[in-house]
Amino acid sequence: GAVVSQHPSWVICKSGTSVKIECRSLDFQATTMFWYRQFPKQSLMLMATSNEGSKATYEQGVEKDKFLINHASLTLSTLTVTSAHPEDSSFYICSATPVGLAVNEQFFGPGTRLTVL
Amino acid sequence: LAKTTQPISMDSYEGQEVNITCSHNNIATNDYITWYQQFPSQGPRFIIQGYKTKVTNEVASLFIPADRKSSTLSLPRVSLSDTAVYYCLSSGSARQLTFGSGTQLTVLP
Repeated sequence: GAVVSQHPSWVICKSGTSVKIECRSLDFQATTMFWYRQFPKQSLMLMATSNEGSKATYEQGVEKDKFLINHASLTLSTLTVTSAHPEDSSFYICSATPVGLAVNEQFFGPGTRLTVL
Repeated sequence: LAKTTQPISMDSYEGQEVNITCSHNNIATNDYITWYQQFPSQGPRFIIQGYKTKVTNEVASLFIPADRKSSTLSLPRVSLSDTAVYYCLSSGSARQLTFGSGTQLTVLP
């Protein structure tokens, strides 16, 4: 149980285009989902906290207008990288906390590799 | 946010027991200690979580002394497939996870 999926697993796009990444909790409902970014050989950096039915909370230094987050249901959160540039190339990982469990109990998706040309 | 410190890398041989120690001097009263494993190009995978003393599951043991300022993840009889980055985190139930630098464990044949 507690499986989180991400789609796509990898994507290559041209500079200036927008890319949408989906995060789904497959067998549980999640009121809170988190989006992380990981550059090569580095640790995960929290980008934003996504709450179902409300606006996302962004970490300092993360542009909310560039990284649009929508959490429209208890099983789906989306991250849209708008006007992507090569410096946005990274590994994006989402996690979800099942309803009723503490926020520090998170289940992670497999990640999405974004390459911007 | 609570900060953890752990060795950047460790090497071991197949079949050995590996102990990775993490320092969390400023851990809060309500914080739990959680360890995750991450393989390249994959999301982190939960290994074990504890509050104090010793916790054991089918893959690892977690030792936490009484002062809770450190914790040790113990992996019994490692294999090549245990080569990964291991993250130690301390977090309260209402706070998001903050990942430190992690420990790159390399298991050699």
